[in-house]
Amino acid sequence: ETGVTQTPRHLVMGMTNKKSLKCEQHLGHNAMYWYKQSAKKPLELMFVYNFKEQTENNSVPSRFSPECPNSSHLFLHLHTLQPEDSALYLCASSQQTRTEAFFGQGTRLTVV
Amino acid sequence: QQQVKQSPQSLIVQKGGISIINCAYENTAFDYFPWYQQFPGKGPALLIAIRPDVSEKKEGRFTISFNKSAKQFSLHIMDSQPGDSATYFCAASMVSGGGADGLTFGKGTHLIIQP
Repeated sequence: ETGVTQTPRHLVMGMTNKKSLKCEQHLGHNAMYWYKQSAKKPLELMFVYNFKEQTENNSVPSRFSPECPNSSHLFLHLHTLQPEDSALYLCASSQQTRTEAFFGQGTRLTVV
Repeated sequence: QQQVKQSPQSLIVQKGGISIINCAYENTAFDYFPWYQQFPGKGPALLIAIRPDVSEKKEGRFTISFNKSAKQFSLHIMDSQPGDSATYFCAASMVSGGGADGLTFGKGTHLIIQP
């Protein structure tokens, strides 16, 4: 186990649905991230939380809404997604931002 | 925009051979260069990382070579094994920059080691 747990592992949702992805880290880290991984594209940084405060939002559409209630938990709330949002969504954590990041196994999201 | 360019996109190496993956970056302020390994169905896992104060770092069969003047770094896998077949990502960041963003990744290299 990597110390970063994501649920669910797989998710299929319709374009009108609302769902949430969950991430939990057991490493005592201060920073948490959401990345999107699509085929043949670099990992795209979506959101960064540092000490529970959002510090980065890389022009992500508002249909993705992050939440970080504490330094161990991170959520990604999804609503009215598009088929092109289908991807592997990865959560990661690190002791401080920009340093060694530990990734979860990801949630494979399919929007139909 | 900060970029890290990775090549080749895919690579096939015979068992026992040397696998070489290259990355180039543009931002001279980058000071942390990790490599990640990802197997199907898994998240990326840190393999090895280097800071620009050294030109080479070796851990077992994995070596990072770093050329600061050329703004390039590469991963060498010696005695490549079928179990090394995976996707490899290079990345970079400015640890000392005081910023609060994450790593910038290359597009990845799909490595296949043939028995």
